[in-house]
Amino acid sequence: SQQGEEDPQALSIQEGENATMNCSYKTSINNLQWYRQNSGRGLVHLILIRSNEREKHSGRLRVTLDTSKKSSSLLITASRAADTASYFCANQAGTALIFGKGTTLSVSS
Amino acid sequence: EAGVAQSPRYKIIEKRQSVAFWCNPISGHATLYWYQQILGQGPKLLIQFQNNGVVDDSQLPKDRFSAERLKGVDSTLKIQPAKLEDSAVYLCASSPQHPLDGYTFGSGTRLTVV
Repeated sequence: SQQGEEDPQALSIQEGENATMNCSYKTSINNLQWYRQNSGRGLVHLILIRSNEREKHSGRLRVTLDTSKKSSSLLITASRAADTASYFCANQAGTALIFGKGTTLSVSS
Repeated sequence: EAGVAQSPRYKIIEKRQSVAFWCNPISGHATLYWYQQILGQGPKLLIQFQNNGVVDDSQLPKDRFSAERLKGVDSTLKIQPAKLEDSAVYLCASSPQHPLDGYTFGSGTRLTVV
């Protein structure tokens, strides 16, 4: 299966803490994107890291990519209750995206 | 800029009935995707259109699912007959010519088959 594996499946932290979630694929990673999904809503694009990049920042988000290990990680710093959502990685396959299974993040105040 | 519009928002049907979902992508977006997201899982690509042509429908269960994109704009996804395992959220997304420009997703249609 081309589907990505995400780890952990669920993560519960306190406000102000950092949250790290990981994503790996069995196939080669091309350009990798991270998406966020609030309960019952559509997905929102967070950040794209290209296959020739190793690290990228956007606000409180930091994404790393290791193409040799076919893996990526998303770090959310200084988390807030509003960050509570599911987070999905998505690997580009042709012109489509193959999503991981997601990490459910719960941030309590 | 208006987002990707989907309707209906929710649908409950009995197994073996038929159902149709509608999607209106962002104006000017050439590529349109339908994804199926089963509860607790990531979205799975069902079909991808480039303008009004099908690029990839390898994951579409063609014995019961069909999709079309008339005139390269709106799209409909149909299930006939529905099975219990079709219960899921059906997400429509669109992107400009190149996926690196990012997808925009609609809010989805939540289908419950009873």
